[in-house]
Amino acid sequence: ETVMTQSPTSMSTSIGERVTLNCKASQSVGINVDWYQQTPGQSPKLLIYGASNRHTGVPDRFTGSGFGRDFTLTISNMEAEDLAVYYCLQYGSIPPWTFGGGTKLELK
Amino acid sequence: QVTLKESGPGILQPSHTLSLTCSFSGFSLSTYGMGVSWIRQPSGKGLEWLASIWWNGNTYNNPSLKSRLTVSKDTSNNQAFLKVTSVDTADTATYYCAHTGLTGFDYWGQGVMVTVSS
Repeated sequence: ETVMTQSPTSMSTSIGERVTLNCKASQSVGINVDWYQQTPGQSPKLLIYGASNRHTGVPDRFTGSGFGRDFTLTISNMEAEDLAVYYCLQYGSIPPWTFGGGTKLELK
Repeated sequence: QVTLKESGPGILQPSHTLSLTCSFSGFSLSTYGMGVSWIRQPSGKGLEWLASIWWNGNTYNNPSLKSRLTVSKDTSNNQAFLKVTSVDTADTATYYCAHTGLTGFDYWGQGVMVTVSS
C-alpha cells in the first residue's frame, strides 16, 4: 500500500498570503495524484487531478505540481473561502487508492 | 449536471450488514470510462477509499476491509450499491459516493451518516 504523508498537518495563514501544502508518497505514483478541499460540514471537492490539472471551475490561484513521490498544492493569494482541510489522493495502477491525512488551513 | 445522493439505515447494530445506495443523475454507468466510488470519513478524521465499480462491471475493493465489501450497480435505475458485512463501531462514519472517471472523484454526494451501536 502506498502511504501519502501530508505536511504540515495544520497551518495558520493570513488573507492574501501564498500557501504551500506538501504531500509525499511512500513510492513513486507518477502523476496519479489529486487534491481535494473540504470545508466544514461539506463534502470534499476535487481541485486538482493528474497532479497539475485544475478541475472545472477551480480558481487559478490553485496550482498543483509534482511527479513521482513529491507533490505540492499552492494557493497563490489566500482567500477566506479557502479555509478548509486539504487532502491529497494517490490512484496508482493497483488499489488501494490512499488519501493523505490532510492539512488544515486556519486564520492567524 | 452530475448529482449523487447516498441513502442508508442511519443506525445499525454490530455484526449486521450495512447496505448503502447511491442514486445518481447526469451520467450513465453503462458509458465507457464511468465509475462510482465509495469513500468514508469517521467524524473529525480523514478520508478512506473503500471501493469502486466501473462501467464494465469491474470492481476494486480496499483490501484493508478484507472480504467485507461488495459493490454492485443497477445501470437501468442509475444506482450503485455498497454492502459492508459484520460491521462494528469502527465502521461508524459518513459514507460518500463519488462519480469517478478520468479526472478523479470529480463529483461527490452529500454523504450519509452511519452509526453502529447496540
